[in-house]
Amino acid sequence: KQEVTQIPAALSVPEGENLVLNCSFTDSAIYNLQWFRQDPGKGLTSLLLIQSSQREQTSGRLNASLDKSSGRSTLYIAASQPGDSATYLCAVKETSGSRLTFGEGTQLTVNP
Amino acid sequence: DGGITQSPKYLFRKEGQNVTLSCEQNLNHDAMYWYRQDPGQGLRLIYYSQIVNDFQKGDIAEGYSVSREKKESFPLTVTSAQKNPTAFYLCASIGGELATNEKLLFGSGTQLSVL
Repeated sequence: KQEVTQIPAALSVPEGENLVLNCSFTDSAIYNLQWFRQDPGKGLTSLLLIQSSQREQTSGRLNASLDKSSGRSTLYIAASQPGDSATYLCAVKETSGSRLTFGEGTQLTVNP
Repeated sequence: DGGITQSPKYLFRKEGQNVTLSCEQNLNHDAMYWYRQDPGQGLRLIYYSQIVNDFQKGDIAEGYSVSREKKESFPLTVTSAQKNPTAFYLCASIGGELATNEKLLFGSGTQLSVL
């Protein structure tokens, strides 16, 4: 059974710092991996999706990488801002028709 | 604008009562999902449906029921058999096999509380 782990559970950084969030999964035979952002009391917003054949995806200040062989993905946030404060979740999909398995998320606080 | 609409935003249930959470999407997505989120925890899958008139149990289906009579609608009923229903409920959908349609998109959620 696929298990997804996100470390750390919480992270607090000063504004302007570059930071990395980690996601690991136990079964490397994945179809794709998706990173989400969740604000308190809100639904999840999709940030980046990486197909199994890709190594990274970029959107603005966000860069997500994927290393299938080691079962790891990282979300890099450049020049963090207070507005980046939220919970970040990763999820993996094992086959094209399967459901996603979610990690428990990393709660990020960016202090002004 | 295309999207996923969940209603109501807040819902209160009395003991022994069944309540239904609405989820509607106008994205022409094939698959729809219901997740439960408890404070400080990840998402747990309740039910999912990949096509109309078909659905499968997720990891925590006991005490819940769903229907998928129309492609755009996937309502979730929380029955009286669900003894601990207080949680944040999230509906999601995903399209076909094209890369652009493979992002799982979420509604804004329904907070269910027990009176």
